Amino acid sequence: KAGVTQTPRYLIKTRGQQVTLSCSPISGHRSVSWYQQTPGQGLQFLFEYFSETQRNKGNFPGRFSGRQFSNSRSEMNVSTLELGDSALYLCASSFGEGRLRTEAFFGQGTRLTVV
Amino acid sequence: AQSVTQLDSQVPVFEEAPVELRCNYSSSVSVYLFWYVQYPNQGLQLLLKYLSGSTLVKGINGFEAEFNKSQTSFHLRKPSVHISDTAEYFCAVSDWDDYKLSFGAGTTVTVRA
Repeated sequence: KAGVTQTPRYLIKTRGQQVTLSCSPISGHRSVSWYQQTPGQGLQFLFEYFSETQRNKGNFPGRFSGRQFSNSRSEMNVSTLELGDSALYLCASSFGEGRLRTEAFFGQGTRLTVV
Repeated sequence: AQSVTQLDSQVPVFEEAPVELRCNYSSSVSVYLFWYVQYPNQGLQLLLKYLSGSTLVKGINGFEAEFNKSQTSFHLRKPSVHISDTAEYFCAVSDWDDYKLSFGAGTTVTVRA
């Protein structure tokens, strides 16, 4: 079974631009979550989608948005990039619901550098 | 909201020596607990998880952890480490009904020959 796939692996963008990151979950997983990892703030939760609905959102500005498609693939978008958005963005997927769900399986991440 | 404290930011250890990484969490409600490992420029790989049942949990690569509800702790141990265990380790917690993971700041383990 293929794991969680994130594309691209590396990105360099300029301040003020926007960027879209993609995540394909493990087949059959309907929950997709996104995390930002930086040396200063560590791992922080961005948002979680389940069956195309955003169920939970972390404490990030509105420049950070996401969506999930009917095939469970997810994208996140960051508009008006700032230098502080440079980070490793991790996607994770889970199977099942509520207390019966599996643990989160993580992708390799997308390394975003804003210059 | 959950908070997770990993008490050691860096742990140097010699090869074949034991290691313990400490983790405490804040919530008193029912939780799921996890330990993940991250190698440079990689994602997170699950080492082990506690969902319910036995408080001693065994994971991959010889790691184990003990859930202590009264002390709200979930410490990770390995009796004998290898060079390949050099990595960053993260403790994480989620509520039973919430998919959101709250992570500790991480512990960097450096194994020396």
